[in-house]
Amino acid sequence: GIQVEQSPPDLILQEGANSTLRCNFSDSVNNLQWFHQNPWGQLINLFYIPSGTKQNGRLSATTVATERYSLLYISSSQTTDSGVYFCAVVYSGGGADGLTFGKGTHLIIQP
Amino acid sequence: EAGVAQSPRYKIIEKRQSVAFWCNPISGHATLYWYQQILGQGPKLLIQFQNNGVVDDSQLPKDRFSAERLKGVDSTLKIQPAKLEDSAVYLCASSFGANTEAFFGQGTRLTVV
Repeated sequence: GIQVEQSPPDLILQEGANSTLRCNFSDSVNNLQWFHQNPWGQLINLFYIPSGTKQNGRLSATTVATERYSLLYISSSQTTDSGVYFCAVVYSGGGADGLTFGKGTHLIIQP
Repeated sequence: EAGVAQSPRYKIIEKRQSVAFWCNPISGHATLYWYQQILGQGPKLLIQFQNNGVVDDSQLPKDRFSAERLKGVDSTLKIQPAKLEDSAVYLCASSFGANTEAFFGQGTRLTVV
C-alpha cells in the first residue's frame, strides 16, 4: 500500500516561532488532508489539499503532487497550536478512498 | 451543521467481553469510515461504507470485529471477544462522497483489561 512519511517526528518551539512540517508519500494520490489532533484526541480538519496552495489565517499548506510531497506552514506559533499534526492521503490507484495516515508530527509550543 | 456523533466516549471492559460503538455521520454524507488509533500511531482504516454497502473491509479483523450500516445512515462497530491489543481509540468519519473531505467524530476510547 501507499506509504506516508512525516517529518520531523517531534518539534519543540517557543511561542511566536514559525515552523514547517513535511509529508512525503510514495505514490499518486487523489486526496490529501492535514489534521490537528488536540490533547483531547479530536481530529480537526486543517486543509483538504490534493494539489496547490491554500491559506487559513496563520496556517498555510502546499501540495506538489507530481513530486509527492506536501508542506504545512505554521506562523507565529501559539501554545494552542500544540498537539499532533497528521497528513493523510488517498491512493489514486485503489478502489476505495479511505485515508492512509502518517505517524504524525508532535508539536510542542512553549510559552 | 452538526458534526459526526459517536458514543460512548469511553469504555472499559474485560478481555473476552463484547463491546459496541455507535456513529451518526454528518447529514447527507453517503460515505462512512471506521478507524482504529492505537496510542502513538496514526489512525488505521478498518472499514468503509458507501450508503449501506461495504466498499473496503480489507483491514478489519473479521474473526472478532463486525460492522453494519443497515439504513445507510447510523453505523455500529462491534468487537467480540475483545483482546488486550484492541485497546485504542475508535474513530468514525464521514464524507459526502468519494474523494471528498472527510470529517471525524470525537472517538470512543476503549480500554481492555
